[in-house]
Amino acid sequence: NAGVTQTPKFQVLKTGQSMTLQCAQDMNHNSMYWYRQDPGMGLRLIYYSASEGTTDKGEVPNGYNVSRLNKREFSLRLESAAPSQTSVYFCASSERARRGDTQYFGPGTRLTVL
Amino acid sequence: GENVEQHPSTLSVQEGDSAVIKCTYSDSASNYFPWYKQELGKGPQLIIDIRSNVGEKKDQRIAVTLNKTAKHFSLHITETQPEDSAVYFCAASSTASKLTFGTGTRLQVTL
Repeated sequence: NAGVTQTPKFQVLKTGQSMTLQCAQDMNHNSMYWYRQDPGMGLRLIYYSASEGTTDKGEVPNGYNVSRLNKREFSLRLESAAPSQTSVYFCASSERARRGDTQYFGPGTRLTVL
Repeated sequence: GENVEQHPSTLSVQEGDSAVIKCTYSDSASNYFPWYKQELGKGPQLIIDIRSNVGEKKDQRIAVTLNKTAKHFSLHITETQPEDSAVYFCAASSTASKLTFGTGTRLQVTL
């Protein structure tokens, strides 16, 4: 079991470029999440998908879009990257979107926008 | 919405000593409080959690206490070891799907 995997590990973009961050889980979980982590701010929820076919905004959704491709995969897209989106992005999954369900995190993608 | 404050931001202890990290939360509806450990270059990993119907939970050298009246919870690590060095995050869940994280504590265990 690989758990939660993310690609790429590192990425450098220029302002205005677009890219998609990929996430996959092999734990047969129903729910998946995207967070960003900035120094001194902890992790903040960008979007989540409670189940296949559904997506909802989190705390900081502006500038991002998501796609729940199937039960395993949940991608995060930056249509026009901005320097404020420089961050470390983590994908997570849980069995269900219930309070108390453990969220398992991937290794992260470090994104720099110049 | 929920707000979680975490202290201290950095903590240095000698090997074998105890370490305590404290968090407060604002939403009285929160009833699930996990703690995550993040090692350098890795994603956060759950180390222990507690629910509001329990006041204390222990797992070997790690314990968590919860005071619902005061809205605070703490992580206690006893007999610290160098491999305990990492960043620790507390979190609170007031609604399904949503974890609100603290800002993290960098723990350094020195020999």
